[in-house]
Parts: sequence; C-alpha cells; structure tokens
Amino acid sequence: GAGVSQSPSNKVTEKGKDVELRCDPISGHTALYWYRQSLGQGLEFLIYFQGNSAPDKSGLPSDRFSAERTGGSVSTLTIQRTQQEDSAVYLCASSLVGTGGANQPQHFGDGTRLSIL
Amino acid sequence: AQKITQTQPGMFVQEKEAVTLDCTYDTSDPSYGLFWYKQPSSGEMIFLIYQGSYDQQNATEGRYSLNFQKARKSANLVISASQLGDSAMYFCAIRDNYGQNFVFGPGTRLSVLP
Repeated sequence: GAGVSQSPSNKVTEKGKDVELRCDPISGHTALYWYRQSLGQGLEFLIYFQGNSAPDKSGLPSDRFSAERTGGSVSTLTIQRTQQEDSAVYLCASSLVGTGGANQPQHFGDGTRLSIL
Repeated sequence: AQKITQTQPGMFVQEKEAVTLDCTYDTSDPSYGLFWYKQPSSGEMIFLIYQGSYDQQNATEGRYSLNFQKARKSANLVISASQLGDSAMYFCAIRDNYGQNFVFGPGTRLSVLP
C-alpha cells in the first residue's frame, strides 16, 4: 500500500520480555518518527530520524528503548525487559522534507497496540 | 524550544453548529508550519489542515479553516456545520524549518451532540 505500515498491529507479551515493533514508511519519505500514546492521552515523542543525520533520541524514556533505521527506510523500535508501564499504542509517522521543510505534514501508521502482562 | 498549548481538554458542540478549537504556540523560529490532526476513536491520525508562518491568507480545507493570528501566536481550528463524525480528539502541532521535528499539543476532545 501507499501508506505507513506498522507491524504487528497488536502485541501481547509478558513482563521482562523484549519486543520489536516495525515501521515501513511511505517510499521517499526521509523523515521518520516514533511516538507513544497511552489510552486517552496525547502523543509522547520518542525518536526522530532524518536522512543520514544522527537521530534525535531525546524522547526515549529509558535505556531499555532503542530504535534503528536501516537503509533510510524501515525502522525498528526495540523495548528490552518490558514493564507494565510500557503498555500503550506505539505510532510511527513519516514525512517529506522539502525545500523549507516546514510545510510537509506527517503521515501516520495505524499503530501497534502493546500490552504487557 | 517550541511549545503548543491547547487549553480546552474537552468541548461539546451541537450538530450543524460551528466550533472553534484553540491552539497557541511558542517558537523563536521565524519560519514554521502549523498543523491540525484528527484522531477518532478508531485511533488513526488524520491530517486536516496546514498553515505556514508566512502565509498571508488563513488556510481552508472544506469545512475546516484555520484562524491564524501570528502576532498572538494563535492558530485556532474552526469546524463549520459540525457532524456527528467530527467527534474525535484534535491535536495541534508545530514544525520548525530547521529542526524539522514536530511538537504536538495535548489535544482537545470534541463531542458533537445530535
């Protein structure tokens, strides 16, 4: 499809396990973002990739969280030793960065609903 | 650092009436973009409308318009002729021309009453 694709759509795992969440951005979008959203809450910024630049990791809540983006396309968000407070919807978005850049919206995936038992 | 404030956690509007959702922002960048997104209960984030900091005209997209007051750093969303399907969370966001990252507000939950 032409949109941002996230997998899995749902993930249930036991406390202490590691999880990997995948995001496949829109082709040609050089900017990729990860957010976390708890039920009924706003978007919590996690990490931002732009082209070959060093990612902005300022939103990662702890060193249990990491993300990589291979070949400037697909990204994986990894949560190690999951805890119950990690339960949330994890949203990925991608964007063009055109001339000026500020006028390009983000396009969001449908998210991964993560539940930690 | 940029910041978005949405002071209305929840709003109610009668079907077919217009409603204004408030958004104020803070930025030191001269060039930036302002965005509104809709998130219905199904969870997807839907881009609604964009306003550039140098745009002379207020942006409009169908029933959505943006009341942009640059001196007041205000970018309120106006929804005309509300429909039941407009019930959702609405997020205001800013993107600067240099950092390219987005900053979102806490959102406003709009409920349209029949």
